Amino acid sequence: DAKTTQPPSMDCAEGRAANLPCNHSTISGNEYVYWYRQIHSQGPQYIIHGLKNNETNEMASLIITEDRKSSTLILPHATLRDTAVYYCIVRVAGTGGFKTIFGAGTRLFVKA
Amino acid sequence: SQTIHQWPATLVQPVGSPLSLECTVEGTSNPNLYWYRQAAGRGLQLLFYSVGIGQISSEVPQNLSASRPQDRQFILSSKKLLLSDSGFYLCAWSGAGSTGELFFGEGSRLTVL
Repeated sequence: DAKTTQPPSMDCAEGRAANLPCNHSTISGNEYVYWYRQIHSQGPQYIIHGLKNNETNEMASLIITEDRKSSTLILPHATLRDTAVYYCIVRVAGTGGFKTIFGAGTRLFVKA
Repeated sequence: SQTIHQWPATLVQPVGSPLSLECTVEGTSNPNLYWYRQAAGRGLQLLFYSVGIGQISSEVPQNLSASRPQDRQFILSSKKLLLSDSGFYLCAWSGAGSTGELFFGEGSRLTVL
């Protein structure tokens, strides 16, 4: 079962930062936070993941609260192509076939 | 670099007919492999995952089966399709030495009539 809570939808103006929240109050100490997005009719795309420190890559930044019970994915300058469903997932990292369970996600609409 | 391919991309099949969807990964060894299904307007449902040749774990009871005859090949099958099998089927892999991020194929859209 998915162990995260996300708002079903959000709007963002093109060129502005998109801040997508995720609650994971039951996260365990060895579980990472992963973010994916799915553009219509495509497979999900990995964005970023983190354990407790904030992370940044070429796509986004991930801010994890100190108690690790929530996180925010930040798209610094949203474009129309960022319109997608964004999934926040918590799971144990590493090998061994650990399952990745997707919830309903947040549908982000970037508007011109 | 690693790539993942699925085929066919689209498929229209009558109820009761068999199914075979194939997925192959290139550029990596001993990947973990996954099959997901996404019904229209719904989320992703994990169907099967595999950590090695011949090792398949099933997540939901259904009339689908999966096989992994080679290290980088994952096949989804059915002997008799149901209307409820319609959906978008996605294959994914994660690296044996990675921190678990998944990489998805292009998907196979199945319509059962």
